[in-house]
Amino acid sequence: EDQVTQSPEALRLQEGESSSLNCSYTVSGLRGLFWYRQDPGKGPEFLFTLYSAGEEKEKERLKATLTKKESFLHITAPKPEDSATYLCAVQAVSGGSYIPTFGRGTSLIVHP
Amino acid sequence: NAGVTQTPKFRILKIGQSMTLQCTQDMNHNYMYWYRQDPGMGLKLIYYSVGAGITDKGEVPNGYNVSRSTTEDFPLRLELAAPSQTSVYFCASKGTGGYTEAFFGQGTRLTVV
Repeated sequence: EDQVTQSPEALRLQEGESSSLNCSYTVSGLRGLFWYRQDPGKGPEFLFTLYSAGEEKEKERLKATLTKKESFLHITAPKPEDSATYLCAVQAVSGGSYIPTFGRGTSLIVHP
Repeated sequence: NAGVTQTPKFRILKIGQSMTLQCTQDMNHNYMYWYRQDPGMGLKLIYYSVGAGITDKGEVPNGYNVSRSTTEDFPLRLELAAPSQTSVYFCASKGTGGYTEAFFGQGTRLTVV
């Protein structure tokens, strides 16, 4: 059974205080690890796709990395507008179909 | 493009009532999914479809039904609503291919009382 575990569940940072979110996973036949951002009352919004171990992606203050067992979302000098829940998902093949499996998310609050 | 559109945004049901959550996408995606999201529990897959006429159960299908008569639409039917179905429901779609990302609707917040 595919499993995705995110930590911490919640994270409070001061503006400018860099940190990392973790996503550990077990999956057979990985077809991508995805990071999404979810604002309150909204649907998840895509941030990154990571294809294979060793890959890194960057967007503004966010940088995602991938190993064979986990992914990190590094947030450098965060701003209050980075406050959101960050979801990690792994996608594997199940009976010929692609099924994204999500972690429970990390709720990030950045204080000014 | 509108992307993925869900209706309604909010709904209150009484126990035992039925309703259909609507989902439509205009990206010509083959894959469509229904998830429910409970506080602190992440997204749980209810049903999914790989194309018109093809549907399959996810992790938590009990109490729900789906159909996929067209590429664009993937409605979720709740029969005999129960308090355990109080949740936020998200529809998503994805293009063909293993590494493509999913696009989500804005969600339907359902309360069963």
